[in-house]
Amino acid sequence: KQEVTQIPAALSVPEGENLVLNCSFTDSAIYNLQWFRQDPGKGLTSLLLIQSSQREQTSGRLNASLDKSSGRSTLYIAASQPGDSATYLCAVVATSGTYKYIFGTGTRLKVLA
Amino acid sequence: EPEVTQTPSHQVTQMGQEVILRCVPISNHLYFYWYRQILGQKVEFLVSFYNNEISEKSEIFDDQFSVERPDGSNFTLKIRSTKLEDSAMYFCASTVGNSGNTIYFGEGSWLTVV
Repeated sequence: KQEVTQIPAALSVPEGENLVLNCSFTDSAIYNLQWFRQDPGKGLTSLLLIQSSQREQTSGRLNASLDKSSGRSTLYIAASQPGDSATYLCAVVATSGTYKYIFGTGTRLKVLA
Repeated sequence: EPEVTQTPSHQVTQMGQEVILRCVPISNHLYFYWYRQILGQKVEFLVSFYNNEISEKSEIFDDQFSVERPDGSNFTLKIRSTKLEDSAMYFCASTVGNSGNTIYFGEGSWLTVV
């Protein structure tokens, strides 16, 4: 059964820092992995989607990498800003079973001005 | 860009009442989902639906829950007799295929049971 874990659970950094959020999954046989942002009480905003054949994806200050064999992904945020404060979720689709996302526990990020 | 739309955005209901949450998936999508997120907890899979039938349901999706695609555009989640613990954000999602395709999520429906 696929399980997704995110470390750290919470992170507080000063503005301008580069930071790394981690996601690990127990079953390396996945179709893709997606990173989402969630503001308090709001929906899921898709940030980056990495297909299983890809190593990384970039969008602006965000870079996500995927190491399928070790069951890990990282989300790198460069030059963090207070507006980046949110919960970041990763989710994977396993190749076994029904095609669906399994979500991680999330990292709650606070960027201090 | 096409999107998944959900209504209502927020609903408050009395315990024991029936609730229907509505979703309009992206028009050419074939696979549909409902997820739930209790406040402060992780997003949990409830049910997947394809070809007018349930593909998979989680242990959360008990007899109180049902899903339906009543016409060519809507996908609904019904909770027959709501309990306090059903209070959560409910997300609808859809995808065009099941081989690496992106799953798109709606904005969610906040359900508060009092």
